[in-house]
Amino acid sequence: EAQVTQNPRYLITVTGKKLTVTCSQNMNHEYMSWYRQDPGLGLRQIYYSMNVEVTDKGDVPEGYKVSRKEKRNFPLILESPSPNQTSLYFCASSSRGAHYGYTFGSGTRLTVV
Amino acid sequence: SQQGEEDPQALSIQEGENATMNCSYKTSINNLQWYRQNSGRGLVHLILIRSNEREKHSGRLRVTLDTSKKSSSLLITASRAADTASYFCATDTSWGAQKLVFGQGTRLTINP
Repeated sequence: EAQVTQNPRYLITVTGKKLTVTCSQNMNHEYMSWYRQDPGLGLRQIYYSMNVEVTDKGDVPEGYKVSRKEKRNFPLILESPSPNQTSLYFCASSSRGAHYGYTFGSGTRLTVV
Repeated sequence: SQQGEEDPQALSIQEGENATMNCSYKTSINNLQWYRQNSGRGLVHLILIRSNEREKHSGRLRVTLDTSKKSSSLLITASRAADTASYFCATDTSWGAQKLVFGQGTRLTINP
């Protein structure tokens, strides 16, 4: 089944403890993106990648890192999480990017205490 | 940055009725997309309409686009309980970069 898989689905962590949210897609998509969803703010793009080793900042990149060493994986790294990064995170992929629509993962609900 | 704004924010109708949601945006676009999100779940791509198209259909969905008014509407006909979800419009304003900007969404409730 074609899908975008995120792990974990739920995560509670403490301020400052580095964490990684994994994202993997099995559709051989070139384009991948991370969004966060917050009440009243909608979905905002964190980072995106147009291909292996090609990444760029979205609207809210502060406090996040990404890497794209392989086509299928696009992990989101929080080096020193803070409570304002408590959010619902989505990874998405597309064969041709925003011009053709994205397939989204099921989401990761992160709480930073 | 918020590009699309959906209207209404919430809509509650009876099963079998039609549901119409509107989206307005501010800048010129390549395309406009509609997504559905069931509570707390990932978004599902419903339909994409390009800037040179005026109307598009997919099953019970009908999307219109008026670039002169910078607005789009999503019509769901013969609604079902399973259509209960949040619906988001997203605009692709980039010519190269991957900039899909989402609105705040319309929360649709279908009452049996």
